[in-house]
Amino acid sequence: AQRVTQPEKLLSVFKGAPVELKCNYSYSGSPELFWYVQYSRQRLQLLLRHISRESIKGFTADLNKGETSFHLKKPFAQEEDSAMYYCALHSSNTGKLIFGQGTTLQVKP
Amino acid sequence: EAGVAQSPRYKIIEKRQSVAFWCNPISGHATLYWYQQILGQGPKLLIQFQNNGVVDDSQLPKDRFSAERLKGVDSTLKIQPAKLEDSAVYLCASSSAGRPPYGYTFGSGTRLTVV
Repeated sequence: AQRVTQPEKLLSVFKGAPVELKCNYSYSGSPELFWYVQYSRQRLQLLLRHISRESIKGFTADLNKGETSFHLKKPFAQEEDSAMYYCALHSSNTGKLIFGQGTTLQVKP
Repeated sequence: EAGVAQSPRYKIIEKRQSVAFWCNPISGHATLYWYQQILGQGPKLLIQFQNNGVVDDSQLPKDRFSAERLKGVDSTLKIQPAKLEDSAVYLCASSSAGRPPYGYTFGSGTRLTVV
């Protein structure tokens, strides 16, 4: 079964602290994984994708096939990072984008 | 380029009433998706269109939900009759056929409240 699991509903950190948002997936085949972000009162938008190995707004995510994980990390959290974060898996067979439950990141001053 | 347009932004109806949502995808995007996002949960795919044909509607509650995409452009999603548990944000997204999903763009959504 294709599934994305984000075990934490809420992650609360202080400004300047490191952040790690966890994501685990279940998929047979080569996965394509993404992180989406939704800021308050804004639409869902793509943050980063594993194939690009890019860093967006200081965030990075590494695909670990052995652990079937795609955790999102940032070394120093900023208040403007407060948002809802969704990990998503793209199924190349069906074209579906399957989302996790989401994690609310709250960065306190 | 213009984004994915959805209307209305908000809708409040009583249970057992009917409601319809509209989506206009990005010009040229062949694939259109409707997602349901219940508060506190991730978006769940309801139906996927490729041009005007349905690719996947396995999670669409067909006894009350229906969707169409006439002419392969705009799409409407209808609920009839609505139940309290249908309260959610309904998201429309579109993508280019054959492109990786970083061409996948979401609309602002329609927030439905059923009372």
